[in-house]
Order: sequence, then C-alpha cells, then structure tokens
Amino acid sequence: DTEVTQTPKHLVMGMTNKKSLKCEQHMGHRAMYWYKQKAKKPPELMFVYSYEKLSINESVPSRFSPECPNSSLLNLHLHALQPEDSALYLCASSQDPRAGYTFGSGTRLTVV
Amino acid sequence: GENVEQHPSTLSVQEGDSAVIKCTYSDSASNYFPWYKQELGKGPQLIIDIRSNVGEKKDQRIAVTLNKTAKHFSLHITETQPEDSAVYFCAASRTSGGSYIPTFGRGTSLIVHP
Repeated sequence: DTEVTQTPKHLVMGMTNKKSLKCEQHMGHRAMYWYKQKAKKPPELMFVYSYEKLSINESVPSRFSPECPNSSLLNLHLHALQPEDSALYLCASSQDPRAGYTFGSGTRLTVV
Repeated sequence: GENVEQHPSTLSVQEGDSAVIKCTYSDSASNYFPWYKQELGKGPQLIIDIRSNVGEKKDQRIAVTLNKTAKHFSLHITETQPEDSAVYFCAASRTSGGSYIPTFGRGTSLIVHP
C-alpha cells in the first residue's frame, strides 16, 4: 500500500459544528503532516507529527486540533470554524522528516 | 528562513514540445529539492527529487538539474503530453542542521495543448 487515504473527500459545515478529518497510511512512515491549501497557492504547513508526537504547530488557531492515535492514523478535529477556513486540507506522510512526502487527495472543506 | 522563487507562473506548450520550470532558493544550506505535480482535484504527487551531491537526475521524460553555486534548480519535461497538464511545485529543504520542513515555490500551471 503506497497511499495516504483521507476521508471525507468533501465536507460542508456550519460555523457552530464540530467535525473531524481523518488520514490513514500503511507505509510505515513515521512523520505525518497536515497542510492547508487555498486555490492557486502552494500548501501551507499546519502541524507535524514525528513518531506520533506533535513536533511542529505553525501557530494554528485552537479551533483546529490535531490528534495522532497511532503511527498509521492522523485526525484533525474542527470546531467553530470561520468561512475563511474553507480550503483543501491535505494530509501527508514521509519515511522521516527529511524525505519527500506522499500526499493524500485532500478534504475539500467549505464553512458556511 | 528559506525563500523559493518559481517561474513562470503559467506555461503553455504544444504537445511534443519541451517544458522547463525554474526555481531559485536563498538558503545555501538547503540540500534536498523535490518536485511535486498536482492534478486538478488531487493532492500533490512527488515526481522527482534531487540532493545537493548530484547535478542532474533523469527519470524517463523528466529531469531535474541543480546548480548549487547559483542556487537554482530546474525541471525539464520532454515530449510533453496532455496528461502532463497540472500545477508543478518545486521545494527546498535541509536534511540536517535546521528545519527539515520544505519551503514551496508558488507553483507553475503547465498547459499542454493537443
């Protein structure tokens, strides 16, 4: 298995909702990442997990809460989002933080 | 921190032509340079990468060159096909002595006309 699987593919949520994005990989990669991508822009780093521990938080607002239950799973919990948070949320993994990434296809999030 | 400039922002070619995308970086300690291809509705896909101990790397129709002195690297696609149409991102990062997190260029939208 050489893929990063993200669910759901699309999500529409209201500003008072709580939802979660899920990411799964079975390549034995020990680093996992959440990125946010706006249209026609490069991905922007949000969080890095290395060996299941949060190693980088790029000053992301607390309405985004990451979780790494085990070495294969990564979640992003969403609460009280704003319309400007609408974007493509990408999960990625790599063998270690110094290697190239395998990205998932992303979750297209719309906040209404 | 690292700064990566990528040009052009849009590149339109005829099928069969070659395409070249260029990136420059600012941090002389950067030593790992991946290229990602992002098709519409998909996540970026790593297509080729180069480390600073080599000057060129090829994989079928794609090649990457690196000039460490000038701090620039380029992606070359030969015999372009419509399925090469996508947004391409270059990136630069260190593998030691600092943050490993890649800095991405702003992207190049490649359009291959049949």
